[in-house]
Amino acid sequence: RKEVEQDPGPFNVPEGATVAFNCTYSNSASQSFFWYRQDCRKEPKLLMSVYSSGNEDGRFTAQLNRASQYISLLIRDSKLSDSATYLCVVPYTGKLIFGQGTTLQVKP
Amino acid sequence: GAVVSQHPSWVICKSGTSVKIECRSLDFQATTMFWYRQFPKQSLMLMATSNEGSKATYEQGVEKDKFLINHASLTLSTLTVTSAHPEDSSFYICSAHAGTSGRAGQFFGPGTRLTVL
Repeated sequence: RKEVEQDPGPFNVPEGATVAFNCTYSNSASQSFFWYRQDCRKEPKLLMSVYSSGNEDGRFTAQLNRASQYISLLIRDSKLSDSATYLCVVPYTGKLIFGQGTTLQVKP
Repeated sequence: GAVVSQHPSWVICKSGTSVKIECRSLDFQATTMFWYRQFPKQSLMLMATSNEGSKATYEQGVEKDKFLINHASLTLSTLTVTSAHPEDSSFYICSAHAGTSGRAGQFFGPGTRLTVL
């Protein structure tokens, strides 16, 4: 089993839609989690951090389910500018372990 | 704050040549920097952890003699791809760790796109 797993997608949704991505992780001892956004041919940029049960920032909500070892990212009222790849990241022994990423395409 | 730069942003070279990529933390000191590689449609893969003043720690499967890392100061780490071949063509990204926590303090450079002909 991969350390961090994501459905690569792509997820194609219309503007205004609500979309959710899941990410599963294998290390039950992990305490913190991150969602990064990566645009094509660019570096990843931190979107949200998740340390407890969840975090909300505007249209973005991240939730953590420790029992099932998954983290979700919910995007409400999708914008065209939300089109990107979303990377689930789990720190482990001082390193960041990246998931494959989930690609989102928001259509007009 | 916490800006990381990389140079060059892209490079095209002939097979067999060596390419040096620089990673700089512009407004903070970084005792630890990380080098990643990303192939098309794949995620970032950690290549090595660069520690200021000591040898880098390489991930399994990464040849230390091929990917030379030097972290001579608290603001600069370099990655040299020696005797580059077409299969080394990739997007190389560095990150620098700011602060003492091992969690959220990683800031990424803009990446270097290497194409080996």
